[in-house]
Amino acid sequence: DAGVIQSPRHEVTEMGQEVTLRCKPISGHNSLFWYRQTMMRGLELLIYFNNNVPIDDSGMPEDRFSAKMPNASFSTLKIQPSEPRDSAVYFCASSLLWQGLGTEAFFGQGTRLTVV
Amino acid sequence: QKEVEQNSGPLSVPEGAIASLNCTYSDRGSQSFFWYRQYSGKSPELIMFIYSNGDKEDGRFTAQLNKASQYVSLLIRDSQPSDSATYLCAVKRPNAGKSTFGDGTTLTVKP
Repeated sequence: DAGVIQSPRHEVTEMGQEVTLRCKPISGHNSLFWYRQTMMRGLELLIYFNNNVPIDDSGMPEDRFSAKMPNASFSTLKIQPSEPRDSAVYFCASSLLWQGLGTEAFFGQGTRLTVV
Repeated sequence: QKEVEQNSGPLSVPEGAIASLNCTYSDRGSQSFFWYRQYSGKSPELIMFIYSNGDKEDGRFTAQLNKASQYVSLLIRDSQPSDSATYLCAVKRPNAGKSTFGDGTTLTVKP
């Protein structure tokens, strides 16, 4: 398995533009997570899906952020409009929740977003 | 109080020494505990997990869990410069898909 695949790896965009980050989880995993990491705030959970359904989106900073998981093999995180304070590394991770026991999260390589 | 607390460091040890990384958590219902290593500019990767009280050893790494004290630690024996990274502690409740991460401890192993 190729692991969790994220695209793009790097994104530079102007303030006000729409940004879409993409993620393909590990096949067979039923949980998917979007994290944001900055020096100031560390690793923050933005949203978590289980079986393609959003379970906890309390970490989504504001309405400019939205996430979808149309099927088990694809998810997107969209920021519209983007702002300089959204600059961060965005990680997608997946894991398997089975019989109440969750495995560890496997992280993608991340998308480094810079909003100028 | 944060749900998962780690000493931010940086922690510096000489090569060959034992590095001790500590983590405390506030949720007594937590069941699964993970240590991730994150090299600069890379994504976190799992190095150890532990579910039961006591010690769990894997090569140079030992995870220690004390649920009564709500404390989990990671010991790295014979530290190498390649162990220099940020170590993240993560905690998970039963039936919970998501983990709660600490802010990480940065370890530097000096040759």
